[in-house]
Amino acid sequence: DTAVSQTPKYLVTQMGNDKSIKCEQNLGHDTMYWYKQDSKKFLKIMFSYNNKELIINETVPNRFSPKSPDKAHLNLHINSLELGDSAVYFCASSQRTSKETQYFGPGTRLLVL
Amino acid sequence: GEDVEQSLFLSVREGDSSVINCTYTDSSSTYLYWYKQEPGAGLQLLTYIFSNMDMKQDQRLTVLLNKKDKHLSLRIADTQTGDSAIYFCAENGDYKLSFGAGTTVTVRA
Repeated sequence: DTAVSQTPKYLVTQMGNDKSIKCEQNLGHDTMYWYKQDSKKFLKIMFSYNNKELIINETVPNRFSPKSPDKAHLNLHINSLELGDSAVYFCASSQRTSKETQYFGPGTRLLVL
Repeated sequence: GEDVEQSLFLSVREGDSSVINCTYTDSSSTYLYWYKQEPGAGLQLLTYIFSNMDMKQDQRLTVLLNKKDKHLSLRIADTQTGDSAIYFCAENGDYKLSFGAGTTVTVRA
């Protein structure tokens, strides 16, 4: 019955590897997001998708590639991981546009060694 | 975030009221939000206020909005140890939320 779910919850990997984080929402929402929370707890938008179309790419390196196979899923693939990518990544969703309330997943804690 | 500002720390005695303040810049925001993050946990939507309201009360939580000054506050009455967390203020823009840096609330016995 989880509204917004992410897998994995924890991810520890070596520099240079490629990894994916998955997000699914069962709320019937049209819009999904990825946010990054750094070590100082600062939260910033990375991507927004509306009906599987990219709306926002907030100056994120192109090593990060979001993919939305359908409205309920927004996955994040990261190539050539760097130490600075270590963070908590949160997926969120909202109905229609972001003027509606956003509901967040539990987060994926990524540690790059 | 550069558009939303909050004080970083608040220490409060158990049973007292906590007040967390926030200023924002986007006057077109439809809603303003408070999210709570407990240690090692995700973001929990605590409450929100529609931009044409001045106040919203929800049990122990009171949100005050001064739209003229772009000032938002969250008051927690009878603060408990379970209220220890980081509280984020957020404004909604076009397809994104802009967050403040978070206020770490510590409840002491």
